[in-house]
Amino acid sequence: SYELTQSPSVSVSPGQTASITCSGDKLEKKYVSWYQQKPGRSPVVVIFQDSKRPSGIPERFSGSNSGNTATLTISGTQAMDEADYYCQAWDTSSSVVFGGGTKLTVL
Amino acid sequence: QVQLVESGGRVVQPGRSLRLSCAASGFTFEKTVMHWVRQAPGKGLEWVAVISYYDGSNKYFADSVKGRFTISRDNSKNTVYLQMNSLRPEDTAVYYCAKDSGLPADHFDHWGQGTLVTVSS
Repeated sequence: SYELTQSPSVSVSPGQTASITCSGDKLEKKYVSWYQQKPGRSPVVVIFQDSKRPSGIPERFSGSNSGNTATLTISGTQAMDEADYYCQAWDTSSSVVFGGGTKLTVL
Repeated sequence: QVQLVESGGRVVQPGRSLRLSCAASGFTFEKTVMHWVRQAPGKGLEWVAVISYYDGSNKYFADSVKGRFTISRDNSKNTVYLQMNSLRPEDTAVYYCAKDSGLPADHFDHWGQGTLVTVSS
């Protein structure tokens, strides 16, 4: 079955740029979405179709997908961005896979 | 506005069954693909199942629940269900229902608040 691999944790200083990666075989052939989840809350999509932002998501969130790696970039990271981030793609036309998640710490 | 409200989670013994419900509002439910996703305590997200729109004739499951869980929908009640049989301790998780965006092989654009299932003797 298809696997998406994320680093367990990323740290960033306030105002700096955070990059969270997601790796999978030929991942560029798939659409990748990214979800933010804060403690005790449901996930919220922040990027879909590799690089599109839903309405209401700040412009500092951006995404890309090339080769075997998709990247979520948060520019000018704020304390409120501290959360777990999950990448997601469709394995086949009938199953979905999530990455293991990355804990973003803003310190 | 879109709302998804899960219910039915509780403590249940291993080997027993449980049915979760997700009541939807704010969108045309019968035209929408629906999913269940779970999250074990302190762990990541795991996709569980999906059901197609309209008659729900197409259903797919994660390998971890195949043969034990089933998914169904009642469009007259705007509700999707997850029937969980032969429950195991490793099924302990918060179960979310999620609305498919409607775009091919794409994302979940809305999630419910989740309902906690604890499998323990």
